[in-house]
Amino acid sequence: IAGITQAPTSQILAAGRRMTLRCTQDMRHNAMYWYRQDLGLGLRLIHYSNTAGTTGKGEVPDGYSVSRANTDDFPLTLASAVPSQTSVYFCASSDSGDSYNEQFFGPGTRLTVL
Amino acid sequence: GQNIDQPTEMTATEGAIVQINCTYQTSGFNGLFWYQQHAGEAPTFLSYNVLDGLEEKGRFSSFLSRSKGYSYLLLKELQMKDSASYLCAVIESNYQLIWGAGTKLIIKP
Repeated sequence: IAGITQAPTSQILAAGRRMTLRCTQDMRHNAMYWYRQDLGLGLRLIHYSNTAGTTGKGEVPDGYSVSRANTDDFPLTLASAVPSQTSVYFCASSDSGDSYNEQFFGPGTRLTVL
Repeated sequence: GQNIDQPTEMTATEGAIVQINCTYQTSGFNGLFWYQQHAGEAPTFLSYNVLDGLEEKGRFSSFLSRSKGYSYLLLKELQMKDSASYLCAVIESNYQLIWGAGTKLIIKP
């Protein structure tokens, strides 16, 4: 693994189904983030984690949950998917969440909820 | 409220210079990032400004005026591979990023 990876690359999901998007980084970064990107809108923060064992809510957390059991992994779960959650999801990491470090992004997961 | 404004789309010619502007109104300010995003790919870091003035990095330069809530990204000697979206993001007082919608730059031969 080099950098930050996400799985799956893309997914079509029926409304009401549960889905977990996976994110793994090998840079030993303390902070990790989940964003969604929709056409015409900027990246919007869903949830973040400044260090293993802690998480926080971003701008658009409703309908999503996260966990941070260790430094490397930061899965995002949609408990019951709805069509408005159709989006491209990016996971990102940075050395620290309380500084000015650049964020490194994964390749993204394109999710379609029907 | 929080707001970041960038032009939606710009067109420029290969070899020319283009300036992409970003204006912001946020509840706090701890710096500003510029990222590049090619279609279908992840954003990648270009520059970071926290003090007023110009930061030059090769063909790309970024300028910040905190008093005016204004930044620009200057791209020189444009190449076809510079066709991408350019995202402006402000670090708020809680260290979270607020992102602009991005400027799609189209380079023509």
